[in-house]
Amino acid sequence: GQNIDQPTEMTATEGAIVQINCTYQTSGFNGLFWYQQHAGEAPTFLSYNVLDGLEEKGRFSSFLSRSKGYSYLLLKELQMKDSASYLCAVLDSNYQLIWGAGTKLIIKP
Amino acid sequence: DTGVSQNPRHKITKRGQNVTFRCDPISEHNRLYWYRQTLGQGPEFLTYFQNEAQLEKSRLLSDRFSAERPKGSFSTLEIQRTEQGDSAMYLCASSVQGTASGANVLTFGAGSRLTVL
Repeated sequence: GQNIDQPTEMTATEGAIVQINCTYQTSGFNGLFWYQQHAGEAPTFLSYNVLDGLEEKGRFSSFLSRSKGYSYLLLKELQMKDSASYLCAVLDSNYQLIWGAGTKLIIKP
Repeated sequence: DTGVSQNPRHKITKRGQNVTFRCDPISEHNRLYWYRQTLGQGPEFLTYFQNEAQLEKSRLLSDRFSAERPKGSFSTLEIQRTEQGDSAMYLCASSVQGTASGANVLTFGAGSRLTVL
């Protein structure tokens, strides 16, 4: 079966750095997405990785290792508005998105 | 462009009633997706359209669910004879068919929350 694993919840302090991990086992791989979802709102696109390595975009970076079936989302200089769920999703061999359950990130002052 | 629009935003209904949700995607997007999401879970794929053609439907989708996109623009999702287990957020997303690499960024609507009593 296809599986995406992420921690259920993480807590971090304002101004700090946090790394949210995602491991996957899917039938084929055509890229990995990270989305942010605030409570009661729609998911919004953060990043897309299809090649190994680190993609940096402002305070957010995303890393991929295809051989390990592993990705992480790195958030720097955390702000209170970063409190949200972070969803990892993999595009499988049929170009179908397989979603993780999301990681709820709580930022404390 | 106002993004992906869904309505109604909230629907409360009694078990056994039919409900219909509407999604207006971004105008130049040819792909439209329906997902269902419950609290603490990721989106669960229901179905998707490329233009007016329904190309895939989840095996989890019972025959009480039907979706249409008659003119390749807006779409409707109907649930017949609703059950309490249908209570969820129904998300619509649209995208442009991606490049050869498969990048296919979805833009989601705000969702339609269904509560079945």
